[in-house]
Amino acid sequence: KAGVTQTPRYLIKTRGQQVTLSCSPISGHRSVSWYQQTPGQGLQFLFEYFSETQRNKGNFPGRFSGRQFSNSRSEMNVSTLELGDSALYLCASRYGTGDYGYTFGSGTRLTVV
Amino acid sequence: GENVEQHPSTLSVQEGDSAVIKCTYSDSASNYFPWYKQELGKRPQLIIDIRSNVGEKKDQRIAVTLNKTAKHFSLHITETQPEDSAVYFCAASIGGNTGKLIFGQGTTLQVKP
Repeated sequence: KAGVTQTPRYLIKTRGQQVTLSCSPISGHRSVSWYQQTPGQGLQFLFEYFSETQRNKGNFPGRFSGRQFSNSRSEMNVSTLELGDSALYLCASRYGTGDYGYTFGSGTRLTVV
Repeated sequence: GENVEQHPSTLSVQEGDSAVIKCTYSDSASNYFPWYKQELGKRPQLIIDIRSNVGEKKDQRIAVTLNKTAKHFSLHITETQPEDSAVYFCAASIGGNTGKLIFGQGTTLQVKP
């Protein structure tokens, strides 16, 4: 079965712009989480969605937001981009909230210049 | 706040030797502890996980042990092979919420042929 698909793979944006990243979970998976990965801070939790509802949120500013659609696909948006937002953004999916193991996508590499 | 400390940050072993990576978590309510392997330029992949009601779990050459009292958990890789070379991340759930993981900073494992 297809894995977690993230688009685009690479993105270059200018400071102050906004960006939208997309994630298609494994077919049948209804829980989607987002993580930011940077060399300095490692992997940091952004948020989790299940059945179109945000269940958990990490310690990121309000510029970071997300949503989930009825087909479980998810998007995350970052507004007013800052240089420090440059990172690999990883999406992960699992079947449900009672399930444990997440499967990660290959990520979107965002560079802010 | 919640924290996961991972040691060592780098580990170099000879092929065939064993490797051990240790993590300490701060949230006594954490109940789920996965380990991920991330090869250069690739997505993190779940290699093994353990729940708080189990002290040890093994899968072929990989094992994980959990000491809830000391809030320690460890990854053990036996008979290491060059293809085990990667960055390994431990993680712990935030409280009983398996949808929100806090990750260690990662261990770069190099297996020399």
